[in-house]
Amino acid sequence: DSGVTQTPKHLITATGQRVTLRCSPRSGDLSVYWYQQSLDQGLQFLIQYYNGEERAKGNILERFSAQQFPDLHSELNLSSLELGDSALYFCASSGQGANTEAFFGQGTRLTVV
Amino acid sequence: GESVGLHLPTLSVQEGDNSIINCAYSNSASDYFIWYKQESGKGPQFIIDIRSNMDKRQGQRVTVLLNKTVKHLSLQIAATQPGDSAVYFCAENGGRSQGNLIFGKGTKLSVKP
Repeated sequence: DSGVTQTPKHLITATGQRVTLRCSPRSGDLSVYWYQQSLDQGLQFLIQYYNGEERAKGNILERFSAQQFPDLHSELNLSSLELGDSALYFCASSGQGANTEAFFGQGTRLTVV
Repeated sequence: GESVGLHLPTLSVQEGDNSIINCAYSNSASDYFIWYKQESGKGPQFIIDIRSNMDKRQGQRVTVLLNKTVKHLSLQIAATQPGDSAVYFCAENGGRSQGNLIFGKGTKLSVKP
C-alpha cells in the first residue's frame, strides 16, 4: 500500500458528461501529481500541485482541471468527455525534499461510452 | 516510437535467470532517475532510484546502472521470479528537483516458470 488513495476505482460515463476524480496523498506529502495512462500513450503527466498551488502543467486538455484543497487532497475534473478520454488516471504524491520518489495510487479507470 | 500496450517492448526470461531492462532517457538535465514496476490493474510501484552523481546502485535483487554519457539507464533483476512479471518504467526528473517525473514507454517482463 503506497498510502495514496484514489476514488472511485472504476467509473463508466457517457460522452459529454463531467466527472470528478479524487486523490488523498500520503500523510505529510505536499506535492500531488496527476497522470493519464492510455494504451497508446504511456504515462502522461497532466498537472502538479504543491501545497494548494499549481506548480506545473503537462499535456492537460482545457476540458480538464484540477485543484488541491487545504487538507491537501486533490480533485481532477474532466468535462465534455470524449471516447478518447477513456484511460487510467493516476494520482501520485511526493515529499518536500528534493529528488524524492513519487508514490502512486491504484488509479481510477475511466470508461467513456 | 514505442507504446505501452499492444506495442510494448517485451522481455521474456526463464525463472531463475537474470533480467536486464534498458531505458534511454531524453533530457540531459535530468539528475534523478527512478525505476517503477507496474502490475496489471495496479499503480506504478517504486523499485529503486539513482542520482546522477552515481553510476550504480544496488537494492535487494535489483541493480540500476546509469550511463550519463549516452543517457542510458538499465535495471538488472537477479534470479528473476514469476512475481517479477510486470511492466517496468524508467522515469527521469528533467532537472527539476521537486517536479513531475517523465516516464519512458515501459518494457513488459514476462517470466516463464
